[in-house]
Amino acid sequence: EAGVTQSPTHLIKTRGQQATLRCSPISGHTSVYWYQQALGLGLQFLLWYDEGEERNRGNFPPRFSGRQFPNYSSELNVNALELEDSALYLCASSLRDRLGEKLFFGSGTQLSVL
Amino acid sequence: GENVEQHPSTLSVQEGDSAVIKCTYSDSASNYFPWYKQELGKRPQLIIDIRSNVGEKKDQRIAVTLNKTAKHFSLHITETQPEDSAVYFCAASISSNAGKSTFGDGTTLTVKP
Repeated sequence: EAGVTQSPTHLIKTRGQQATLRCSPISGHTSVYWYQQALGLGLQFLLWYDEGEERNRGNFPPRFSGRQFPNYSSELNVNALELEDSALYLCASSLRDRLGEKLFFGSGTQLSVL
Repeated sequence: GENVEQHPSTLSVQEGDSAVIKCTYSDSASNYFPWYKQELGKRPQLIIDIRSNVGEKKDQRIAVTLNKTAKHFSLHITETQPEDSAVYFCAASISSNAGKSTFGDGTTLTVKP
């Protein structure tokens, strides 16, 4: 079974540009979560999509947005890039069972803003 | 909101020794506490989790303990091996929504051969 896949692996942009990151969940998973992992820090929750809808967002400005497609894949868009947006962006899909929810992560997109 | 603190930030042990990483959380409503291992350049992977109706859980060389009253939980790795070297993250959430977990800042574990 294929895991969560993210593309691109690396992305280099300059300040003010826009970045688009993509995530494909594990087949059968309908929820996709996005996280930002700045160097040396833990994961910060960005966005949650489920069944095509944005369900919740973390404490990030509106220039961080995204969407989920009918096949449950997802895009994260970051507009008006700032230097501090440089980070590893991780996507996770989730499996819910009778006990709760477990996360499966992708390998991430390393975004560098110059 | 939830606040998770993780200690230590770095830990170096000799192969064969034990390693302990501790986390505290603030929200008494949290009831799901997973631990993730992230090797250099790789994705975080769930290695063990515990729910608040359980005090301890073991899986081979890995164990997690939870003290709900004190709001802290710990990861214990026994008989450490060089391949245990990685960054370990704890997290706390409501079990029905693990994706909205609050994560600790991570512990870099180095196991010296």
